[in-house]
Amino acid sequence: EDQVTQSPEALRLQEGESSSLNCSYTVSGLRGLFWYRQDPGKGPEFLFTLYSAGEEKEKERLKATLTKKESFLHITAPKPEDSATYLCAVRGTYKYIFGTGTRLKVLA
Amino acid sequence: DADVTQTPRNRITKTGKRIMLECSQTKGHDRMYWYRQDPGLGLRLIYYSFDVKDINKGEISDGYSVSRQAQAKFSLSLESAIPNQTALYFCATSDPPPGTDTQYFGPGTRLTVL
Repeated sequence: EDQVTQSPEALRLQEGESSSLNCSYTVSGLRGLFWYRQDPGKGPEFLFTLYSAGEEKEKERLKATLTKKESFLHITAPKPEDSATYLCAVRGTYKYIFGTGTRLKVLA
Repeated sequence: DADVTQTPRNRITKTGKRIMLECSQTKGHDRMYWYRQDPGLGLRLIYYSFDVKDINKGEISDGYSVSRQAQAKFSLSLESAIPNQTALYFCATSDPPPGTDTQYFGPGTRLTVL
């Protein structure tokens, strides 16, 4: 069964304290792995798409990596404005499957 | 201007009422989707459409119907609203291969059924 699991469910960091969010997946025929940022009450905002193991993408303080079983979203020296829920999704042969997200809180 | 827009942004209705949520996009994508989001459950697919003549049920289509009026417009209807349809509803679009296959989401509609 296609599945996406994100961990941890919630994470509190001090400003400047780097960390990583995990997205583990099982899917038949991976056609893409996607990271989104979602602020409360708003739509998911696209961050990255990764297609194959070994691929990496960066945007400001965020870096996404992909292996055959999981993806990591690395946050370097986070700021309070990085506080949000981060969603991971995979595109299988027939559909997209979303994880339940990691709620990140960055304290000043 | 936003690429994917949804109306209304907030709606409170009563049990048994018919309600329509609308989605418009200017991204030029053929594929459009409706999701609902509930706390702790993540995003769940209600319906999707790969073009104007192609509409498919998602994992939780019972109690919902859709209409694809044009490439840019995709509406979701609740025929007879019930309280457990209270949720955040999102419309999304995607550009299939050779595009990126990435989904882009609208701002959402917060629906409350009393």
